[in-house]
Amino acid sequence: AQSVTQLDSQVPVFEEAPVELRCNYSSSVSVYLFWYVQYPNQGLQLLLKYLSGSTLVKGINGFEAEFNKSQTSFHLRKPSVHISDTAEYFCAVTPRGGAQKLVFGQGTRLTINP
Amino acid sequence: DVKVTQSSRYLVKRTGEKVFLECVQDMDHENMFWYRQDPGLGLRLIYFSYDVKMKEKGDIPEGYSVSREKKERFSLILESASTNQTSMYLCASSEGGQNYGYTFGSGTRLTVV
Repeated sequence: AQSVTQLDSQVPVFEEAPVELRCNYSSSVSVYLFWYVQYPNQGLQLLLKYLSGSTLVKGINGFEAEFNKSQTSFHLRKPSVHISDTAEYFCAVTPRGGAQKLVFGQGTRLTINP
Repeated sequence: DVKVTQSSRYLVKRTGEKVFLECVQDMDHENMFWYRQDPGLGLRLIYFSYDVKMKEKGDIPEGYSVSREKKERFSLILESASTNQTSMYLCASSEGGQNYGYTFGSGTRLTVV
């Protein structure tokens, strides 16, 4: 079975500051990794995913994440945030070659202050 | 634009009622999923389906059932609604294979009183 831990439930930052949202996972098999964003009153939108290849993955809206297999982490970063990045962010995994069920973390609420 | 459509944005139901949540996708996706979203718990998988008339239990299936009679439609059924089923319900679909691309609906916020 897989589990995902998002280490911060809330992250407040000032506009134009850098941000890192932390995600650790546990799995006995290889996994694919995802970050999703949920804006208020909306469904989830894919930010980026790691399936294979370079461990540094670039996504939409200037976000990127780095897969670290030895530390079983997949932290999300953005060098300069904007007010419009205020949202809830979810890290998720699914086992390679499996039934494509996503296992989600608890979510991190990112609040951008002017 | 491809879509996953959930029939209701908000629902209020009484304890003991039978509740149907409908989800329709227009992408010819093989896989469909129902998740429940609660603050501090993230999204938890209730049921999923990888083909018409096929279903598998997720992590929290108790008190729920599902139906997939057509490829594009996946229904979640609360047989006898209870107040602890008050939550946000999200439907998703994925095409299967090696793409691992999921599309989520906008969610149904269900309140059971």
